[in-house]
Amino acid sequence: DAMVIQNPRYQVTQFGKPVTLSCSQTLNHNVMYWYQQKSSQAPKLLFHYYDKDFNNEADTPDNFQSRRPNTSFCFLDIRSPGLGDAAMYLCATSREGRYTDTQYFGPGTRLTVL
Amino acid sequence: AQKITQTQPGMFVQEKEAVTLDCTYDTSDPSYGLFWYKQPSSGEMIFLIYQGSYDQQNATEGRYSLNFQKARKSANLVISASQLGDSAMYFCAMREGDTDKLIFGTGTRLQVFP
Repeated sequence: DAMVIQNPRYQVTQFGKPVTLSCSQTLNHNVMYWYQQKSSQAPKLLFHYYDKDFNNEADTPDNFQSRRPNTSFCFLDIRSPGLGDAAMYLCATSREGRYTDTQYFGPGTRLTVL
Repeated sequence: AQKITQTQPGMFVQEKEAVTLDCTYDTSDPSYGLFWYKQPSSGEMIFLIYQGSYDQQNATEGRYSLNFQKARKSANLVISASQLGDSAMYFCAMREGDTDKLIFGTGTRLQVFP
């Protein structure tokens, strides 16, 4: 089945230690998104790629970076995680950027910062 | 102003009963899509149903239907014959025109009891 895959499902890191979260997709979608979701809140968009074009949200901290080396893979790098970065990180894909296009989500990576 | 409003932070329903989760939206774009997602405690965001602004009929997907009232700008989710596995957080979301982004509501936590 075509799907969005995130690895790892659970990640524990230490304060200030860089961490990379991975997302891959077999849907061949052009758009890939990274969201941060804290407990009992709606997901918050960090950035997204439309093909190779990177789109950063204005309020995304510089501590968060992303790479998309090819259509299938997208990475979220947190350069120096703080305690406030502990959250669920959701990757999503969309075929295009039109209002008719559904976003499909991966299972998420739950990040703990010690 | 909120673009997506979900006024019910929590809802309870008995198993096998129907339940309606409310969602109102605000947009001046004539082209938009409305989406409902389910998020169980595991964290995965599961796509349930889509309604386009030009669709003449209400969307249905199995036990899920969307009560779309365009003039009132409401897109309520109806779950028929509730099951214990329906207990989860439910998010209403909107995508406008050709924007890449999905705008989420604050969510409604549904609990189904025996």
